[in-house]
Amino acid sequence: QVHLQESGPGLVKPSETLSLTCNVSRGFINRNSHYGGWIRQPPGKGLEWIGSISFTGSPYHNPSLRSRVTLLVDESKNQFSLKLTSVTAADTGFYYCARHSGEPGMAPYFFDSWGQGALVTVSS
Amino acid sequence: QSALTQPASVSGSPGQSVTISCAGASNNIGTYSLVSWYQQYPGKAPKLIIFGSNQRPSGVSTRFSGSKSGNTASLTISGLQSEDEADYYCCSYAERSTFVFGGGTKVTVL
Repeated sequence: QVHLQESGPGLVKPSETLSLTCNVSRGFINRNSHYGGWIRQPPGKGLEWIGSISFTGSPYHNPSLRSRVTLLVDESKNQFSLKLTSVTAADTGFYYCARHSGEPGMAPYFFDSWGQGALVTVSS
Repeated sequence: QSALTQPASVSGSPGQSVTISCAGASNNIGTYSLVSWYQQYPGKAPKLIIFGSNQRPSGVSTRFSGSKSGNTASLTISGLQSEDEADYYCCSYAERSTFVFGGGTKVTVL
């Protein structure tokens, strides 16, 4: 069963903004226990954490991407979203949203459910 | 924020055990026991297999185990099976509410 699903354009022009939304199955995320996370993976390469957002709206960013990343949450729509500005070819890759979870009483630190991934290509 | 260091590849014969190391630093693995491990098949999303000191999500084989010593975490796969051939990634909390992944290790079953 797919609990998280990424959606957004698969092609973005250089210097423009990449926008993705993660649609979450109703009831799959508890606002008091989970964050929404974004992880990306260039083709043939490793994983990179982009950032996570609590469902109270507090965002946490990879320092190397902080200046270009905006994370938002819309609880009414069971969604959280990613915007990455000023993209270049280096931003091409698979973008995954994930449920960011933790043990009881602890802040989230592992990603226990992932979307299928969205391939975003940066090209003119 | 430097990535955690993993060997590019490890291999073993069916039934053997293999261990994948994940070398970090004092500001991530060394201080926080907040490490997780993921298995990824080609073309698929990663899957959580180990979190914390050595906990497995429901449904994950007991052949997978995790440990930590100093600044290094390790994943051991016991009784290696053909289905274990995949890429494996470690991830650690790295202070100020940030997270860092390892570069990934390809496991080959000979």
